Amino acid sequence: DAGVIQSPRHEVTEMGQEVTLRCKPISGHDYLFWYRQTMMRGLELLIYFNNNVPIDDSGMPEDRFSAKMPNASFSTLKIQPSEPRDSAVYFCASSPWTGGGYYGYTFGSGTRLTVV
Amino acid sequence: SQQGEEDPQALSIQEGENATMNCSYKTSINNLQWYRQNSGRGLVHLILIRSNEREKHSGRLRVTLDTSKKSSSLLITASRAADTASYFCATDEEETSGSRLTFGEGTQLTVNP
Repeated sequence: DAGVIQSPRHEVTEMGQEVTLRCKPISGHDYLFWYRQTMMRGLELLIYFNNNVPIDDSGMPEDRFSAKMPNASFSTLKIQPSEPRDSAVYFCASSPWTGGGYYGYTFGSGTRLTVV
Repeated sequence: SQQGEEDPQALSIQEGENATMNCSYKTSINNLQWYRQNSGRGLVHLILIRSNEREKHSGRLRVTLDTSKKSSSLLITASRAADTASYFCATDEEETSGSRLTFGEGTQLTVNP
């Protein structure tokens, strides 16, 4: 398996533009998580899905953020409109078990978002 | 706020020395996990210890868990320059069981050749 695949690796956009981040989880993993990492706030859970259904989106900072998982092999995180304070590294992770189970989460390489 | 707090925030040692990192948490847990993050990369799962376990080994890694003190430690023996990375503890809390992992703020380990 190629692991969790995220695209793009880097994204630079202007304030006000729409940004879409993409994630392909590991096949067979029922749980998909979106995290955001910044120096100031560390790793924050934004939202997670179980069997393509959003379970907890309490970490989504505001209505500008939305996430979808139309099928078991694809998820998107969208920011519209983007703001400079959204600049961060966004990670997608998947797991066959909630709480990481026996093997923990598998993380993608992340998308480094810069909003200017 | 972060459930886990790592200590120290940064650690610098020489190759061959042992590195010990600590993690404290606040609530009852199902399990605690340690992850490594190399600069510019995603987190990599290292080891998981369940709440009914006290110690676990994996290669040069040794993890201990003291649920009475709500703390865990990660020991890396005979460190190598390639061990330079940030290390995070993550907890699966009983209260949110069936939910998610909560990550600490990490310890930056530098191993000097």
